[in-house]
Amino acid sequence: KNQVEQSPQSLIILEGKNCTLQCNYTVSPFSNLRWYKQDTGRGPVSLTIMTFSENTKSNGRYTATLDADTKQSSLHITASQLSDSASYICVGGSGNNNDMRFGAGTRLTVKP
Amino acid sequence: DGGITQSPKYLFRKEGQNVTLSCEQNLNHDAMYWYRQDPGQGLRLIYYSQIVNDFQKGDIAEGYSVSREKKESFPLTVTSAQKNPTAFYLCASTGIRGRGSYEQYFGPGTRLTVT
Repeated sequence: KNQVEQSPQSLIILEGKNCTLQCNYTVSPFSNLRWYKQDTGRGPVSLTIMTFSENTKSNGRYTATLDADTKQSSLHITASQLSDSASYICVGGSGNNNDMRFGAGTRLTVKP
Repeated sequence: DGGITQSPKYLFRKEGQNVTLSCEQNLNHDAMYWYRQDPGQGLRLIYYSQIVNDFQKGDIAEGYSVSREKKESFPLTVTSAQKNPTAFYLCASTGIRGRGSYEQYFGPGTRLTVT
């Protein structure tokens, strides 16, 4: 069964600190792994997209990694800012855009 | 200003009434999607459409209906047959990002509350 699991469910950090969010996926056949940022009450916004041949992708202070062997991905946030407070959603894609599996998200709160 | 618009942002309905959620995009994307988001769960696909006048059921289509008469528009109707309609509804469209990968763009969402 294709599914995506994220950990932790929620995380609180102080402004300026780094953090890493985890994602385990069992999507088959696997094509791509995406990370989205979703502010409360808004639609998700894409951060990174990685295909199976890529193992790292950066977008500013966000760096995603992918290990296709262990079926794990992580999202590292550097020097966190208050505006980073949001839910971060991991999505596993099977190559068919109609079969993307969404994780439940990690709720990050950055405190001053 | 290109993007996806959904209206209204908040919608309240009485149980037993059908309600239609609007989704419009000016990105010239062929494919459009409707998802439902519930607390503590990942987004779940309701319906999708890859071309005008064609659409397919997703994982949780029961109690919902859609139409795709125009490329820009993909309205979702939540019918009285949907047993638990209160949720956050997200519309999305897909376009080519580069090197053949597809980028999915989301609208701002509509929060539907049925009492």
